[in-house]
Amino acid sequence: SYELTQPPSVSVSPGQTARITCSGAALPKKYAYWYQRKSGQAPVLVIYDDNKRPSGIPERFSGSSSGTLATLTISGAQVEDEADYYCCSTDISANHPVFGGGTKLTVL
Amino acid sequence: QVQLVQSGAEVKKPGASVKVSCKATGYTFTRYTIHWVRQAPGQRLEWMGWLNAGNGNTKYSQKFQGRVTITRDTSASTAYMELSSLRSEDTAVYYCASEGDITVAGTAFDYWGQGTLVTVSS
Repeated sequence: SYELTQPPSVSVSPGQTARITCSGAALPKKYAYWYQRKSGQAPVLVIYDDNKRPSGIPERFSGSSSGTLATLTISGAQVEDEADYYCCSTDISANHPVFGGGTKLTVL
Repeated sequence: QVQLVQSGAEVKKPGASVKVSCKATGYTFTRYTIHWVRQAPGQRLEWMGWLNAGNGNTKYSQKFQGRVTITRDTSASTAYMELSSLRSEDTAVYYCASEGDITVAGTAFDYWGQGTLVTVSS
């Protein structure tokens, strides 16, 4: 079955740039979506269609995709950005969404 | 504003069924597709299926085919997810999420319910 692979954890100091990657064989053909989930809360969409930001999401969040790698970048990460981040894309053969394993971002 | 409000936590015995509800407010219920996603402890988020709230059509993940049923009550603006033949591995937080009109290029879950913990234990 199709899998998206993320690093389990990323750690940065406040004000630094955090980059979270997502690897998947079908990413050249399918868009990547990124969700933020803070402890005890529901996920929030932070990036859609590889690089678009929903209204209300801070400009420091950006996304990119090249080949089989999608990247979520948080420029000038803040303490309140500490959360689990999940990438999501489409399993082409099954034609339904699949999620990456999640990356725990620590900002301290 | 758009809100999805789910029913409360459930404790079930192995072999039983559970039905979780998801009430939508702030938009016309029949306009968007509702998905169900779960996360078991230590596991990744897992897509279970979707419901076209307008016409009632459904699609399920092959993993849950035969055990999951997603339905709707348009008069109550509510979607339901029923999972049968529960086993301990079904212990998870279950989320509903709406696929709105933020994009037509792929599946973006732009609003999520708060999650419902289902515990399966004898």
